[in-house]
Amino acid sequence: DQQVKQNSPSLSVQEGRISILNCDYTNSMFDYFLWYKKYPAEGPTFLISISSIKDKNEDGRFTVFLNKSAKHLSLHIVPSQPGDSAVYFCAASAAGDDKIIFGKGTRLHILP
Amino acid sequence: DAGVTQSPTHLIKTRGQQVTLRCSPKSGHDTVSWYQQALGQGPQFIFQYYEEEERQRGNFPDRFSGHQFPNYSSELNVNALLLGDSALYLCASSSYVGRPYEQYFGPGTRLTVT
Repeated sequence: DQQVKQNSPSLSVQEGRISILNCDYTNSMFDYFLWYKKYPAEGPTFLISISSIKDKNEDGRFTVFLNKSAKHLSLHIVPSQPGDSAVYFCAASAAGDDKIIFGKGTRLHILP
Repeated sequence: DAGVTQSPTHLIKTRGQQVTLRCSPKSGHDTVSWYQQALGQGPQFIFQYYEEEERQRGNFPDRFSGHQFPNYSSELNVNALLLGDSALYLCASSSYVGRPYEQYFGPGTRLTVT
């Protein structure tokens, strides 16, 4: 029972272009969403988050969009850089719940 | 400022054995969560410790147990190891009062059960 779904196992994007990573969720109790980035042999690194009271949050090259009615969020990276090549995890948490539910991840390849 | 540290980095155990993994949280953090990440999967929540008590537990059997010490460091113990316990075990720390959802992860311990 995957409550957080990342349906694209991998994505290749040209350097300098926009990378868009998508995530869907099924639990309407989720009210906080996060994106993590993971390099090989390292733990996931917190990237950006968004509360359910917002529909957009921006931090430098990274923007997360939340569509509550569609239960969908996306991470936009503009412009994409070689160092962005990593696995990106979408994650969510519900109010009053201590655990974070992760998706399976999307591997992003930035092509030169 | 030291981040989250975990030891050991790698571990090989035999079925039926017991293992203890250790975690030191990021400076200023008081909450520790443990996750299991199987190959090709996202991290799965095992349990969380705050004030030396288990606050919440994921869908893992009682063979998985933990402990938090007064200095906020934590241990994960797994008894009667099964082949299926082979995974990357991640520790994450956070501040309970601050932003508890923004958890900072260590590099993980790679456990192989043979």
